[in-house]
Amino acid sequence: AQTVTQSQPEMSVQEAETVTLSCTYDTSENNYYLFWYKQPPSRQMILVIRQEAYKQQNATENRFSVNFQKAAKSFSLKISDSQLGDTAMYFCAFMKHEALNAGNNRKLIWGLGTSLAVNP
Amino acid sequence: GAVVSQHPSWVICKSGTSVKIECRSLDFQATTMFWYRQFPKQSLMLMATSNEGSKATYEQGVEKDKFLINHASLTLSTLTVTSAHPEDSSFYICSARGVSGVNEQFFGPGTRLTVL
Repeated sequence: AQTVTQSQPEMSVQEAETVTLSCTYDTSENNYYLFWYKQPPSRQMILVIRQEAYKQQNATENRFSVNFQKAAKSFSLKISDSQLGDTAMYFCAFMKHEALNAGNNRKLIWGLGTSLAVNP
Repeated sequence: GAVVSQHPSWVICKSGTSVKIECRSLDFQATTMFWYRQFPKQSLMLMATSNEGSKATYEQGVEKDKFLINHASLTLSTLTVTSAHPEDSSFYICSARGVSGVNEQFFGPGTRLTVL
């Protein structure tokens, strides 16, 4: 079974600085997807970034980038130039990559989350 | 982008009553919808997965007679909490996956249920 571990329950960073959130996972699959989701105080879950395991290039979305180390099964999120609006819970998630018609509903396996506070 | 709505956003009910929560995909057809439960400062716990026109698949430990799920159309799934009790109080979130968006789930804003 797949598991996702986020070892940092809480983190804080000063506005405009850079912070890295860690995530490790365990799987025997070779093809899969990894995600970082953000849940702000409004509790609306927002996709931050997505990585496909077969792609070696690390995904980047504006100030958000990942360090994907497949062999080490590590998927950290770097937030550059932190902004007050980045304050939120951040969840790392894993999903198998299976055929479209395999009958699998592609469940997300979630980490426990990291609460990030950006301080002014 | 893909938008998922939930209704109501919050509900307070008396113990023993049933509550229905709706989840709608507004601008895409959702072949699969997922229902989650989230306690304060905790991660999401998947309750069940529903496919349009078929019975929902419940996760281990989730009472299917307690949490009734209906996915009657490609844009609507409902979760009914039957004979609600205070321990059912929680934040319920739905997500939807469309035919084209197979690699991503789109989340609703959640429903806060309080059972008195």
